Amino acid sequence: SQKIEQNSEALNIQEGKTATLTCNYTNYSPAYLQWYRQDPGRGPVFLLLIRENEKEKRKERLKVTFDTTLKQSLFHITASQPADSATYLCALNSGYALNFGKGTSLLVTP
Amino acid sequence: KAGVTQTPRYLIKTRGQQVTLSCSPISGHRSVSWYQQTPGQGLQFLFEYFSETQRNKGNFPGRFSGRQFSNSRSEMNVSTLELGDSALYLCASTPTPSTGELFFGEGSRLTVL
Repeated sequence: SQKIEQNSEALNIQEGKTATLTCNYTNYSPAYLQWYRQDPGRGPVFLLLIRENEKEKRKERLKVTFDTTLKQSLFHITASQPADSATYLCALNSGYALNFGKGTSLLVTP
Repeated sequence: KAGVTQTPRYLIKTRGQQVTLSCSPISGHRSVSWYQQTPGQGLQFLFEYFSETQRNKGNFPGRFSGRQFSNSRSEMNVSTLELGDSALYLCASTPTPSTGELFFGEGSRLTVL
């Protein structure tokens, strides 16, 4: 069956450090992979999309890598800030649906 | 441009009742998807509508249904509510299907007692 796995344990890091979140998947052949941010009680907000033929994509302090051989994406937030504290979700397309992992909670402490 | 609007934001129902949730997509967006989010299962795909047609449906029982109107607004209905239906129901829109980025609303928080 198809699976999208993200670290279930919360990631706690110190302000200014780089946060790295992992998304692994099985039984998908995605054309693209997306990352979203979700704050408590709010809907997810799109951050980045990376296509299968792209290895890396950057947007301001965010960087995403996509390794279709390893079936893994890494999401990096450099110079992290307390305002980056949230749950981060990765998502893969499967046919007409976009399927999400359960997310990793990130806490950035001053 | 207004974002995706979902109503109601919060509601409480009892087992056996039915509920209807509404979603108004971003102006010009014709595709609407619905998701159920629970702490245990995360975000799970319910269904997607485009041009008033359901294009895809997730693995949910027939108690979950939806529809889309000619103005792209969408509704979803859950009949014979069960305790396990308590969740955050999220609607997302895109200009056309499978265009990548989803624009989510703030969700409707359903509590079933």
